Amino acid sequence: DQQVKQNSPSLSVQEGRISILNCDYTNSMFDYFLWYKKYPAEGPTFLISISSIKDKNEDGRFTVFLNKSAKHLSLHIVPSQPGDSAVYFCAATERSNDYKLSFGAGTTVTVRA
Amino acid sequence: EAGVTQFPSHSVIEKGQTVTLRCDPISGHDNLYWYRRVMGKEIKFLLHFVKESKQDESGMPNNRFLAERTGGTYSTLKVQPAELEDSGVYFCASSQRIGLVFHNEQFFGPGTRLTVL
Repeated sequence: DQQVKQNSPSLSVQEGRISILNCDYTNSMFDYFLWYKKYPAEGPTFLISISSIKDKNEDGRFTVFLNKSAKHLSLHIVPSQPGDSAVYFCAATERSNDYKLSFGAGTTVTVRA
Repeated sequence: EAGVTQFPSHSVIEKGQTVTLRCDPISGHDNLYWYRRVMGKEIKFLLHFVKESKQDESGMPNNRFLAERTGGTYSTLKVQPAELEDSGVYFCASSQRIGLVFHNEQFFGPGTRLTVL
């Protein structure tokens, strides 16, 4: 049973524009959410996170929004840059469960020049 | 500071053979996790060590998989005998434990791509 879903396998965006990645989850016990970025032949790299007590967290060009009632989170990248081309994974965890991560299937972002 | 390293980077074996994957976590990280990504799908949790103890192995697919972390340093994941459906990328991750608080960021290794023919 997949508890974290990323329904868009790919996203193409022009350089300078906004990239919006979406993620849905089903487990109401999740209380911490993360986004990871992955380049080919490398492991996922932590990008940004948000606790369930917040609805927004911003770090430079990256902002994560959390809508608990809808069990939905999104990642906004503004402005998108060519180096942002990668696979983005949404992940969720219960902090009481030792941060075991449940991942989505990933969204491949391509930033066009 | 060296990151999480995994060996080998790629392994091709035949069905029925045995393969052992190795993970070296970041020095000082008590927590070590194994994950697997199959066929471009989601990354799935396999198990979690705290030092040398298995904290949670609920994600291990079956008893053909055996993970160890002797001495609480590096870890090995053995698949014996390997089946076709075991093909995928196996990631290892590690994180710190500060007092009673688990640090929330997991650092991932580059993964081992396992191909079972």
